[in-house]
Amino acid sequence: GNSVTQMEGPVTLSEEAFLTINCTYTATGYPSLFWYVQYPGEGLQLLLKATKADDKGSNKGFEATYRKETTSFHLEKGSVQVSDSAVYFCALEGSNDYKLSFGAGTTVTVRA
Amino acid sequence: DTGVSQDPRHKITKRGQNVTFRCDPISEHNRLYWYRQTLGQGPEFLTYFQNEAQLEKSRLLSDRFSAERPKGSFSTLEIQRTEQGDSAMYLCASSPPTRAYEQYFGPGTRLTVT
Repeated sequence: GNSVTQMEGPVTLSEEAFLTINCTYTATGYPSLFWYVQYPGEGLQLLLKATKADDKGSNKGFEATYRKETTSFHLEKGSVQVSDSAVYFCALEGSNDYKLSFGAGTTVTVRA
Repeated sequence: DTGVSQDPRHKITKRGQNVTFRCDPISEHNRLYWYRQTLGQGPEFLTYFQNEAQLEKSRLLSDRFSAERPKGSFSTLEIQRTEQGDSAMYLCASSPPTRAYEQYFGPGTRLTVT
């Protein structure tokens, strides 16, 4: 079945540092890939997506590239802010279904 | 557009009791999903509806769980004879017909079984 493995946290960074959260997946066919974010006290929000190989998703300064050869979708941001403190989830949607399979989540804390 | 809403936000119940949760999706979203999230884990898929039809159920959804979406709008998730292992956050999401891969999540219902 489909599965997602993401970097364990927690991750603590200083403001303006570079952030990378690794995500790899196992799936048949051509899944769509997503990063969701959960800010403290809020619900899950879609951060970015990529629906085919080599696509780059981007939003709010975050980027992730769909790498089929390495089955990866790593999240990056060049300069984090305190407001980026949240839990980040990597997820995939199978090519023939609509349900999402999530990773376990990575907690990121950015210190001023 | 008021987003996906869920009610109640919190529920504390004693083992063996039945509970029911409600989800109101974004209007005109034809797909509705239920997920369960336990502490430190990502959400796990439970079931989903396209309009009023329940198209898929996870093996996680035991016989004690039932979900309905009678008119293709709001949905209910009922858990009968609750067990302590049912304690979790229950999340609802919906997606529009033209962008089925974009799921919008509600705030969740946190269930505690004592």
